[in-house]
Amino acid sequence: GNSVTQMEGPVTLSEEAFLTINCTYTATGYPSLFWYVQYPGEGLQLLLKATKADDKGSNKGFEATYRKETTSFHLEKGSVQVSDSAVYFCARYSGNTPLVFGKGTRLSVIA
Amino acid sequence: DAGVIQSPRHEVTEMGQEVTLRCKPISGHDYLFWYRQTMMRGLELLIYFNNNVPIDDSGMPEDRFSAKMPNASFSTLKIQPSEPRDSAVYFCASSLGGPGYEQYFGPGTRLTVT
Repeated sequence: GNSVTQMEGPVTLSEEAFLTINCTYTATGYPSLFWYVQYPGEGLQLLLKATKADDKGSNKGFEATYRKETTSFHLEKGSVQVSDSAVYFCARYSGNTPLVFGKGTRLSVIA
Repeated sequence: DAGVIQSPRHEVTEMGQEVTLRCKPISGHDYLFWYRQTMMRGLELLIYFNNNVPIDDSGMPEDRFSAKMPNASFSTLKIQPSEPRDSAVYFCASSLGGPGYEQYFGPGTRLTVT
């Protein structure tokens, strides 16, 4: 079936540290892949996306590359800030099935 | 644009009572989604509409839940009767073009059933 698996949180980092949040997806079909972010007390918002293999999505210093060979879409940022503290959701979309979200990874960045 | 609007932002009710959550999507968007978020189960899609027509309601937990979209600018999610296990944050989202396009989420309604 269609599913997304994210690394369990919470993840706690110091400011300016390097961030990686792992995400893998089931290979059924040719999915589009997304990262959404949820700041405290708010709804989710799209952070970045990639629609085909080897595409790289990027936004606000975050990047993720669509890796078909490893069925992965890991989120990275070179230097996190306190304002990046949020919950990050990986998601996939394929065909006419609804968007499937991972369980979310909570990131806390401390000054 | 005001974004997706949800009301109320917080709702506390007693078990057995009827609860109605409301959503106004972004003008011009043709898809509307209702999600439920809990610590245990994460983010679950309950139902989604295309041009006011329900397309997939397989995520609706049981008959106590119902959703309507009488026009392009308004949708409701009703729980009758409510139970403590319905306590969650309920999100409405809308998109233009389909489930695979960017979804814009409202701020959510935090429901507590005592």
